[in-house]
Amino acid sequence: EPEVTQTPSHQVTQMGQEVILRCVPISNHLYFYWYRQILGQKVEFLVSFYNNEISEKSEIFDDQFSVERPDGSNFTLKIRSTKLEDSAMYFCASSDVGTADTQYFGPGTRLTVL
Amino acid sequence: AQSVTQPDIHITVSEGASLELRCNYSYGATPYLFWYVQSPGQGLQLLLKYFSGDTLVQGIKGFEAEFKRSQSSFNLRKPSVHWSDAAEYFCAVGVETGRRALTFGSGTRLQVQP
Repeated sequence: EPEVTQTPSHQVTQMGQEVILRCVPISNHLYFYWYRQILGQKVEFLVSFYNNEISEKSEIFDDQFSVERPDGSNFTLKIRSTKLEDSAMYFCASSDVGTADTQYFGPGTRLTVL
Repeated sequence: AQSVTQPDIHITVSEGASLELRCNYSYGATPYLFWYVQSPGQGLQLLLKYFSGDTLVQGIKGFEAEFKRSQSSFNLRKPSVHWSDAAEYFCAVGVETGRRALTFGSGTRLQVQP
C-alpha cells in the first residue's frame, strides 16, 4: 500500500538555525500538506500546496516558513530561523484532487529546538 | 470557523469491552468528518470518514462511527476492544467550501486493560 514517508524522524537543532524537513508524498497525489503538533496540543494545519504553489496557509505559517517541491517526488518544509516554540512533531500529508479526498499522513518528524 | 471537541482526554477500558469515543463539531453546514488513530511512534492512520449518505460508517479494524446532525456529533464505536487498540484517537473535520485544512480535536488516549 502506498504511503507518505518523512525524513528525518528526529531533528535536533540550535535556535536560529535553518532546518529542512522532507517528505515523499504518495506518487499519484497532487495536494500536499504540512501540519504540526506541539507536545500535548492539537494537530494544527500549516499549509497546503498544489500545482507548485501554496493554495492555503494558516496564521502559523509566517515568513519564516516556506515549502517547495524541488523535484517530482519530494516536498519540503523549511524553517529559516528556528525558535524554541517551533519544537513540535511535523506531519506531512497528501491527497488526491477532490475537495473531500482523504489526506494520508506520514509518520512525522520530531523537531527539537535547543 | 469550524471546531472539534473531544471531551474525553483519557479513557481506560478492559479488553473485550465496548468502546465509544465522543466527538462534537461546530460548523454551519454539513462537514466532512474523519477519525484518525495514532499509535506511539506512528503517523496518523485513517480509521473512517463521513462525507455524505449513510450516517453510519464502517471503518478499518472493526470501528464504526455515526454522524448525528441534530447533536453535531460523530462518535466512534467498537463492540469489543483489543489490546492493540491502545492508541490516541483524533476526530477531524473538513469543510465543503474548497478549503482543505483539516481541523483536529485534541485527541483521546485509549488505554486497554487486560
